[in-house]
Amino acid sequence: AQTVTQSQPEMSVQEAETVTLSCTYDTSESDYYLFWYKQPPSRQMILVIRQEAYKQQNATENRFSVNFQKAAKSFSLKISDSQLGDAAMYFCAYRIGGTSYGKLTFGQGTILTVHP
Amino acid sequence: EAQVTQNPRYLITVTGKKLTVTCSQNMNHEYMSWYRQDPGLGLRQIYYSMNVEVTDKGDVPEGYKVSRKEKRNFPLILESPSPNQTSLYFCASSPAGGDSSPLHFGNGTRLTVT
Repeated sequence: AQTVTQSQPEMSVQEAETVTLSCTYDTSESDYYLFWYKQPPSRQMILVIRQEAYKQQNATENRFSVNFQKAAKSFSLKISDSQLGDAAMYFCAYRIGGTSYGKLTFGQGTILTVHP
Repeated sequence: EAQVTQNPRYLITVTGKKLTVTCSQNMNHEYMSWYRQDPGLGLRQIYYSMNVEVTDKGDVPEGYKVSRKEKRNFPLILESPSPNQTSLYFCASSPAGGDSSPLHFGNGTRLTVT
């Protein structure tokens, strides 16, 4: 079975600084997708960034980027120029390719605090 | 506006009293699913549906039922709720064949069973 592990229950960062959230996963599949979701206090689940396993290039979305290390099964999220609005719970998630019926396997989550 | 609508947002009930959490999506998505979120465990899939009248168990289906009589609706039924079902519940949808497509989530239902 696939598992996703976020080993940092909590992280903090100063406004305008950079922070990296860690995620590792375990799978025997070669075709899969990885996601980072943000959950602010409003409870919404907001997609931050996604990565296709077959792509070697790391995904980037504005201030958010990933470090995808396929051999190490690692998928960390880097937030640059942190803003107060980045404070949230962040979830790493895995989705198998092919017929997944939309199933995501989530990590435990990391609470990010941003200090002014 | 494309969205997944869950109701209610908050629900407090007592052990054994049947309840239904509704979920509706307006994006004509084939796949719909229910997740529960618990501290330290992340989100776990309860049930999913591939299309109308086609459902299957996820990772934590015990104590729950679902139905998919219409494409847009996917209610979650707790026939005899117990305190260990106190949790935050999310409904989600996605189109068929779009493995890289993100799930569209509802805004969550905070359920407390006393």
